[in-house]
Amino acid sequence: AQTVTQSQPEMSVQEAETVTLSCTYDTSESDYYLFWYKQPPSRQMILVIRQEAYKQQNATENRFSVNFQKAAKSFSLKISDSQLGDAAMYFCASETNSGYALNFGKGTSLLVTP
Amino acid sequence: GAGVSQSPSNKVTEKGKDVELRCDPISGHTALYWYRQSLGQGLEFLIYFQGNSAPDKSGLPSDRFSAERTGGSVSTLTIQRTQQEDSAVYLCASSLEDTQYFGPGTRLTVL
Repeated sequence: AQTVTQSQPEMSVQEAETVTLSCTYDTSESDYYLFWYKQPPSRQMILVIRQEAYKQQNATENRFSVNFQKAAKSFSLKISDSQLGDAAMYFCASETNSGYALNFGKGTSLLVTP
Repeated sequence: GAGVSQSPSNKVTEKGKDVELRCDPISGHTALYWYRQSLGQGLEFLIYFQGNSAPDKSGLPSDRFSAERTGGSVSTLTIQRTQQEDSAVYLCASSLEDTQYFGPGTRLTVL
């Protein structure tokens, strides 16, 4: 079965500092999408960033960037200049072999301290 | 524009009752997905609709679960004879291409 592993159940970062959330995944596909979603207490899953596997360049979205290592099947999320509003549950997700359904990791709870 | 909406936001029901959960996708999105988020299992794919094609129901956990999508837009997830293990947050998402956009979910509690 395809799996997505987030090895850090909880992480903590101080405001304005940088934090990296880890994710590894398993797939037999050569082209696929990877995603990071943020879920605050409101339950709304919000897209943070996405990466297409055939693109070598790491995706960036403002303060959010990824370190995508295709051979290692690793997809970590870096949050720079952390803000209090970044506190949430972060989920890593990969496309399954179906090409549409997503496999999610168990999530990393990020705490941001003043 | 408007995002994915779901109703009700919260639903409390008694064991054995049927429930219906509704999802309104983003206008123009052809694909619609249902996921279940529970403490023990994390996020699980339930069902996928794409246009007028037959849905992929491979993630439905039992025959008590069914879903339909009318007119290629609104979808209803129905759970018959609810059980306590059905308690979870049910998330709906829609997409036009590769990125799924999620609604706020329905929290279902089965007493």
